[in-house]
Parts: sequence; structure tokens; C-alpha cells
Amino acid sequence: EVQLVESGGGLVKPGGSLRLSCAASGFTFSNAWMTWVRQAPGKGLEWVGRIKSKTDGGTTDYAAPVKGRFTISRDDSKNTLYLQMNSLKTEDTAVYYCTTQRSGSFEYWGQGTLVTVSS
Amino acid sequence: QSALTQPASVSGSPGQSITISCTGTSSDVGGYNYVSWYQQHPGKAPKLIISDVSNRPSGVSNRFSGSKSGNTASLTISGLQAEDEADYYCSSYTSSITWVFGGGTKLTVL
Repeated sequence: EVQLVESGGGLVKPGGSLRLSCAASGFTFSNAWMTWVRQAPGKGLEWVGRIKSKTDGGTTDYAAPVKGRFTISRDDSKNTLYLQMNSLKTEDTAVYYCTTQRSGSFEYWGQGTLVTVSS
Repeated sequence: QSALTQPASVSGSPGQSITISCTGTSSDVGGYNYVSWYQQHPGKAPKLIISDVSNRPSGVSNRFSGSKSGNTASLTISGLQAEDEADYYCSSYTSSITWVFGGGTKLTVL
């Protein structure tokens, strides 16, 4: 059974940093393309960014609002995906989901972790 | 990249069929067959219900179907059931090597 468990969310001040983790199990993590999607309170879904598998180059792509501030990385030895968030803004407040990506779809989702950016 | 356009809400009675539209541009919906649909119940994570325009993942009811014409994709739910009441989101790959979601549609089963 595929499981994705996010952690690391919490309250942070504007301008601060936070690192989210996503522990994966039930599939071959090293072969998977992984994505972060966020959802602001009461709002819709927003794609944050994606990392390819190392065999496919391990490259990353980001949405314009987070480019230059957020970094996605992976540790295949630990089956874990990361999202390093710097220079956080109040508009980054959201539930952050990690997902597996298959073709053009987000196939499996974690339960999400809430990030609140507030002074 | 602007969000894809979905109706804010749709409604239907049990047993009826409804269709949710998702309109983009030739740089996203119209340019690629990477349109997917997600169902989200309150307080829960989204669930993939349609991939690559019209493919149903294993375990998803055949009451859900997807299609695309030009820059508009559609999700049809037939034989509406109370448990279908949820928010629905479309998503598409874009020419900017990013993904974009629709604003979401709230389905009410009357």
C-alpha cells in the first residue's frame, strides 16, 4: 500500500524558513517523480513544484510564486522527499501535500501538513 | 500561469448526470493530453479520479468519465450519489513545464 506522510509544518514568522519532509513507502521511491501541491485555507489547489527521479535526471521545476525561494530535494536512501522553504510570506500559508506523479497526473497524496506564516 | 476556469458550483439530484467544464488555453488543456481530475471531500486529501483526459485509475467508479474538446476538458458524473458531493479540481500540464489547477467546483447532490 502506498503511503506518503508529510511532516515539518508549523507556525513561522514572515521571512523565516521551514523544511517539510515526506516519508514514502509501498512503492519504489527512487523511480518516482514527486510533486508538492499546496492549498491555502478555504482555497483551491496550487502546484508548487516537482522533482524527477535521478535516473531521469533528478531535475526540478517550480511554480512562479515560489521559484528562487523554495527548493525540492530527495534522499532515495531514506525514501524521503523534502521541501525547503525560505523567505516565507503570509501568502505561503497553506496545507502542503506531497504526491507521486505518474504521467501527467498526481496519483497518490499524503494527508498534508499545515504551514502558517504569521507574525 | 492563470488558473484553469471551472464553474464555482454545480448541483444535481440523485441518479442524474452532471458535467463540470475546465477551460484553459492552447498552452495547457488544448496542447497536451495531460488533463486530470481530482475529488476532494472536506478535510481530506484530493483523490485522482481521471488521468490523461479520460483514463480511470483502478478502483474509481465507472460513473466518472472525462473528455476534451479543444481548450476545454469535461468531467461527467452519471448516476449521481450522495457520496459524490465534494469539490472537484481539474489540472493540466503547461508549455512552461509546470502544472496548473482549476479553481475548483463544488458539487451539491440535492
